[in-house]
Amino acid sequence: EAGVVQSPRYKIIEKKQPVAFWCNPISGHNTLYWYLQNLGQGPELLIRYENEEAVDDSQLPKDRFSAERLKGVDSTLKIQPAELGDSAVYLCASSLLGRNEQFFGPGTRLTVL
Amino acid sequence: SQQGEEDPQALSIQEGENATMNCSYKTSINNLQWYRQNSGRGLVHLILIRSNEREKHSGRLRVTLDTSKKSSSLLITASRAADTASYFCATAIGGGADGLTFGKGTHLIIQP
Repeated sequence: EAGVVQSPRYKIIEKKQPVAFWCNPISGHNTLYWYLQNLGQGPELLIRYENEEAVDDSQLPKDRFSAERLKGVDSTLKIQPAELGDSAVYLCASSLLGRNEQFFGPGTRLTVL
Repeated sequence: SQQGEEDPQALSIQEGENATMNCSYKTSINNLQWYRQNSGRGLVHLILIRSNEREKHSGRLRVTLDTSKKSSSLLITASRAADTASYFCATAIGGGADGLTFGKGTHLIIQP
């Protein structure tokens, strides 16, 4: 069974530029999560989807971050414009609806110069 | 914001020894999970313990949960070099597929 797929694995951009990350969850997993992980810290939840509905986006900085999960499968997380402080690893995870165990992708490491 | 805090922040032991790491959290929970993260790799789920459980085993892993103290411990027995990684506790306030709140992690190094 394929795991959670994320792309790109690495991204380097200049500040004020836009950037987008893509995630393909495990087949059949209704719930999808985006987390942000700063160096030396644990992941922090940004947004959670159940199918195509964002059911928890309270931690998403909506002035510059946006996300979508059209058709309830793949998801895209966007930052526009990026700031220096956005440099981090962006993790995508998925789980079966109603199940607590989450499966994580390898993440996208973003560097903002 | 971080819910939990792992202790110690870093731990270095000899291969074959046991490793114990602790996690404290702040609010009532439905369950607590432990994840492992190797350098350059994603997080891998290790074990889940529910709030009505006190101890759980999985292979060389033993997890305890004390809800009165809001704390958990992860014991890895007979450590191996491949156990070198960062270990995170993560709490879920609700059941189902709620988002997790992670601690800052314990970095474990197993010396050969």
